Amino acid sequence: AQTVTQSQPEMSVQEAETVTLSCTYDTSESDYYLFWYKQPPSRQMILVIRQEAYKQQNATENRFSVNFQKAAKSFSLKISDSQLGDAAMYFCAYRSTPFEGGSEKLVFGKGTKLTVNP
Amino acid sequence: DSGVTQTPKHLITATGQRVTLRCSPRSGDLSVYWYQQSLDQGLQFLIHYYNGEERAKGNILERFSAQQFPDLHSELNLSSLELGDSALYFCASSVGGSGRETQYFGPGTRLLVL
Repeated sequence: AQTVTQSQPEMSVQEAETVTLSCTYDTSESDYYLFWYKQPPSRQMILVIRQEAYKQQNATENRFSVNFQKAAKSFSLKISDSQLGDAAMYFCAYRSTPFEGGSEKLVFGKGTKLTVNP
Repeated sequence: DSGVTQTPKHLITATGQRVTLRCSPRSGDLSVYWYQQSLDQGLQFLIHYYNGEERAKGNILERFSAQQFPDLHSELNLSSLELGDSALYFCASSVGGSGRETQYFGPGTRLLVL
């Protein structure tokens, strides 16, 4: 079974600075997806970014980018020019694909709480 | 706003009772997923429906059941409730079919069992 590990329970960053959240995962599959979801105090789960394992290019969405290292099974999230609204819990998630015969369920890490200091 | 709606937003009930959580997926989405978020277990997958059929089951208790109706909305039924069932229950939806789509989450239903 796949597992996702987020080793940083809490992180903090100054407004306008850059922060990197870590995520590692364990799988024997070669085709899969990785996601970062954000959960602000409202508790809504918001998709931040998605990476397809067969794509070598790292995904980018505005101020959010990932460093995907497939061999190392590492998937970190970099937030540039941090804003107060970025304060939230961030969850890393793994999903198998039909090619691998796996379920479409998301497997989540335990989350990293990000605080943004003004 | 993801386009996924869940009702009710909050639910307070007593041990031993039964409740029903409702989810309406985004327009055009055929897949519905249910997840439970609790302090001790984190976010866990419960069950997946695609176009009315059960596709996969996760760590769903026998006291819990779900279904997806012909109009594609889904209901999660929780019975013989225990204190430990207190959690945030999320529904997510995706287009479905290829298994490669992104899941979009509803706002969740917060259940408190007293």
